[in-house]
Amino acid sequence: ETGVTQSPTHLIKTRGQQVTLRCSSQSGHNTVSWYQQALGQGPQFIFQYYREEENGRGNFPPRFSGLQFPNYSSELNVNALELDDSALYLCASSFDGQMNTEAFFGQGTRLTVV
Amino acid sequence: GESVGLHLPTLSVQEGDNSIINCAYSNSASDYFIWYKQESGKGPQFIIDIRSNMDKRQGQRVTVLLNKTVKHLSLQIAATQPGDSAVYFCAENSPGGYNKLIFGAGTRLAVHP
Repeated sequence: ETGVTQSPTHLIKTRGQQVTLRCSSQSGHNTVSWYQQALGQGPQFIFQYYREEENGRGNFPPRFSGLQFPNYSSELNVNALELDDSALYLCASSFDGQMNTEAFFGQGTRLTVV
Repeated sequence: GESVGLHLPTLSVQEGDNSIINCAYSNSASDYFIWYKQESGKGPQFIIDIRSNMDKRQGQRVTVLLNKTVKHLSLQIAATQPGDSAVYFCAENSPGGYNKLIFGAGTRLAVHP
């Protein structure tokens, strides 16, 4: 176990709705990154939060947003859900928001949009 | 739960054999690489990493080789066990000042008794 926990584990939403996913980082880690993993593909970087601020973003539209809290836990919010948003959403925690440090993943939240 | 990597290339090996999983990475400026193992219904699990100033690194039963000339990584697993069955991803750290990992497509390893 990595110590990175995500909730909920599974979620079903209707197209057009909004969703919030949560992640608690590993003890001692101050950086959380979010990834989207479609079925049969590798994870795709959404964005990263370091010390409560967005610290880099992948090629995802603005309806994907996030937060990081003082205890370094994080939320991923997706507005106006589309069918293609169905995926496994992973968070990874690491230390210091810099390059070349190990990133440990949670179990993921499986989001299904119908 | 749903399977990871339903249409991924598959490497089938006999239990006890050595496995070699290959990966081509995309950015010649990438300087940090990680191999992850992902079992069905779970998040990626860190296996081993290597920095670009090295060409080989060994862990317990695993070895990663890096060839920067051809942008190629390989993961060698010695004495493969049924518990090694999973999808394996290589990931490169994209230059840009933060840990943005770019993942490869993945390879499914199937270990047969």
